[in-house]
Formats: sequence, C-alpha cells, structure tokens
Amino acid sequence: NAGVTQTPKFQVLKTGQSMTLQCAQDMNHEYMSWYRQDPGMGLRLIHYSVGAGITDQGEVPNGYNVSRSTTEDFPLRLLSAAPSQTSVYFCASSYSIGGLNTEAFFGQGTRLTVV
Amino acid sequence: AQSVTQLDSHVSVSEGTPVLLRCNYSSSYSPSLFWYVQHPNKGLQLLLKYTSAATLVKGINGFEAEFKKSETSFHLTKPSAHMSDAAEYFCVVSDLNAGNMLTFGGGTRLMVKP
Repeated sequence: NAGVTQTPKFQVLKTGQSMTLQCAQDMNHEYMSWYRQDPGMGLRLIHYSVGAGITDQGEVPNGYNVSRSTTEDFPLRLLSAAPSQTSVYFCASSYSIGGLNTEAFFGQGTRLTVV
Repeated sequence: AQSVTQLDSHVSVSEGTPVLLRCNYSSSYSPSLFWYVQHPNKGLQLLLKYTSAATLVKGINGFEAEFKKSETSFHLTKPSAHMSDAAEYFCVVSDLNAGNMLTFGGGTRLMVKP
C-alpha cells in the first residue's frame, strides 16, 4: 500500500513564485489535512477537509489555498511564496469509526525553501 | 478549543534508564490522544493512541502512556531507553467535533547518552 504520497520531496522557490504541493492517499480516508513544521512549534494546521468538496481553514491558512475535488487528492497551493513559508510541509489523512477518531497517516514531507 | 502542552522541550537520559515525556492537554470533549515519533529528517510514526478504551495504552518499541482525565495528562514512558529512541516526540490531541483535526504539542527532543 502506498498510503499518503507527497510530491515533491524538496523544492526551492523564489519570492513571489507560486506552486502546488501534491498529496494523494489510497486508503479512502474521508479526512485530509496539511500541516507545516517549524522548529520548536510542532506541527501547525494549515487547511483541512472532511470530505470531497469540503475544506476549511486551520490555524495558519494565510498564503495558502486548497481544494478537494476527489477523495484521494488534496493539493496545497502557495499563491505568492514568501520567505516566511520556508518550512517542512506534511499531508495527513485519517478516518473515524463509530465516532472515534483513528490515527492520522502522514506523508514523508516536503521541504520548501523560499529565497 | 483544544491545546497540548509538552512540558519539556528537551529530555536527556542514559541508555538503560527510564524515559518520561510529559504531556498535558485541554479539550472541550472526550478527546483522542496520540504520541508520534519523528526521527531526524523523517516523517511521523505513530507510537500509541488512546481513544476512550483502556486508560493505560501500550505502543510500539516498549513505550506506554497513561490517560489521566482528572489531571488532563497523557505522559509517555519507557522502562529502559535505547540509543535508537533518540528522536523528537509529539503529543497530539484530536477532537472529532473539531473536524477530526490534530493539535500538536511543541515536541520533546529525547537524547540518549551511552
């Protein structure tokens, strides 16, 4: 099983450029989310989705856009990259059973540097 | 709103001695709680989870955590540290009423001395 697949693994952008981080899962999970990881701050939620066609903002959504047209895919778009967006980005998926939350499955991360 | 506080940003132990990583949480409802581990330049791996069943939860690699509702704590323990346990550990809370999303603590870096 592939699980959660993120591409690319590494990316360098110039300030002002745009790009899309890809995330795909093959487990038919209804929940998907994007996090950024910065030193000493754990992971912070950027955007999330509770199903196809439904997205919402997390803790740090500014400068990012998402859409969820299918259950499998949840791309993250950087509209105009800024040095403050230099970070490691993780995509995750999860599901619930009988109202109980299961663990999240994470991709391997994308290390983004904005110069 | 939910939140997680990991009380120590760094913990250093000697190989073979016990490990204690502390975590306190705040949640409006009955939460699900997790511990994840991240080795350098790697993704996140689930160590263990609590989802309203037994309060003492056993995980992989000899780790355990006890859910204490009265203390709003979910501390991670291991009887005997191994060099391979050196990594960053994250305590995480999830609330189904908040879209199933995860709130992470700031992380605890565990160092294991030979």
